[in-house]
Amino acid sequence: GAVVSQHPSRVICKSGTSVKIECRSLDFQATTMFWYRQFPKQSLMLMATSNEGSKATYEQGVEKDKFLINHASLTLSTLTVTSAHPEDSSFYICSASPWTSWREKLFFGSGTQLSVL
Amino acid sequence: SQQGEEDPQALSIQEGENATMNCSYKTSINNLQWYRQNSGRGLVHLILIRSNEREKHSGRLRVTLDTSKKSSSLLITASRAADTASYFCAALRSGSRLTFGEGTQLTVNP
Repeated sequence: GAVVSQHPSRVICKSGTSVKIECRSLDFQATTMFWYRQFPKQSLMLMATSNEGSKATYEQGVEKDKFLINHASLTLSTLTVTSAHPEDSSFYICSASPWTSWREKLFFGSGTQLSVL
Repeated sequence: SQQGEEDPQALSIQEGENATMNCSYKTSINNLQWYRQNSGRGLVHLILIRSNEREKHSGRLRVTLDTSKKSSSLLITASRAADTASYFCAALRSGSRLTFGEGTQLTVNP
């Protein structure tokens, strides 16, 4: 199956700093990647859809200036949490799929646990 | 907001027993997918059922879909301790939007 790599798996940062999370498709090209946020024992909340070569599409209520998404290549999307605050602490997960099958099966990264002190 | 609802929220069973999880959704769908998530990890795709299908099997997994009731169920037969995880349904709505349910935390006791 397709492999999606996400780094780092865990990050602790001070309030006010920025954190970058990378999501890579290792063995396929992904024109679209998805970024989710998950609170403990809760479901995944779609934050944004990352499109290669164009601006990301953000879900309602998600601040695009705070959660910067860059999809500069067909295999890499990054999520930067700017000026992080404790309320941004959460589990962030990316997903992708080969363009022909993303409607039927998504491949997920292993997630990033962000803790903001 | 998530439109899928799953029940039960938590399920604890003994090894060898069957586990049934249910999922409901509110709008028309193209397909419904089930995913598994181990604690602190990403999700893994388990099985997909299309809107014109009623039942599918994959190994110890059996999924049903009732579009008239807008509901689906996932049955894991002969459960194992390694099946302990959270299970999420995800409905693909028209417009290609995949929405995840709230999840069921399954614990299989050895």
